[in-house]
Amino acid sequence: AQSVTQPDIHITVSEGASLELRCNYSYGATPYLFWYVQSPGQGLQLLLKYFSGDTLVQGIKGFEAEFKRSQSSFNLRKPSVHWSDAAEYFCAVGPRNSGNTPLVFGKGTRLSVIA
Amino acid sequence: DTAVSQTPKYLVTQMGNDKSIKCEQNLGHDTMYWYKQDSKKFLKIMFSYNNKELIINETVPNRFSPKSPDKAHLNLHINSLELGDSAVYFCASSLSGRREKLFFGSGTQLSVL
Repeated sequence: AQSVTQPDIHITVSEGASLELRCNYSYGATPYLFWYVQSPGQGLQLLLKYFSGDTLVQGIKGFEAEFKRSQSSFNLRKPSVHWSDAAEYFCAVGPRNSGNTPLVFGKGTRLSVIA
Repeated sequence: DTAVSQTPKYLVTQMGNDKSIKCEQNLGHDTMYWYKQDSKKFLKIMFSYNNKELIINETVPNRFSPKSPDKAHLNLHINSLELGDSAVYFCASSLSGRREKLFFGSGTQLSVL
């Protein structure tokens, strides 16, 4: 069965520090991979996605993620965190085939940013 | 203009009541979804409609009945509300089920007392 694991429920970092949010997945084949961000009281916004090609993908707001097939991981990184990055982050996977199979989401990692 | 809009944003009601949440998208998408986010932030698909037809129903109690009057709307009606229904419900839409173009509404926080 497909599953997404985000091992860290809550992470606190200082403003300006680097950030890495972990995501591991279990899937029958290499899926499509996504990171979403949810700000308080808001819906989910797509940060970045990986379909194929370069395993290091760039997203919005200075985020990047690296797909590592051998580790079944798709960790999200940012070199320097801003206070406005405080939010909930969700990793998600979906099949490569066409159709309407929905995304499977991880349980999220809450990011707090301190001065 | 809001791409995917849900109403109401907050809904507080008592057990046993019947309530509806509305969702509308102005993106021209043909696929719409309802997701439930529980108190632990776990986001799980409930329903998916494509061109007004139900294509996914993820073992949701039949007290939940989605209704899609047209491609731009997918409403969620809940009968006999229970405490466990308290959650945030997100509507989303995409074109032809394309996951990379999934747009979410801002959510409806349902509290059942």
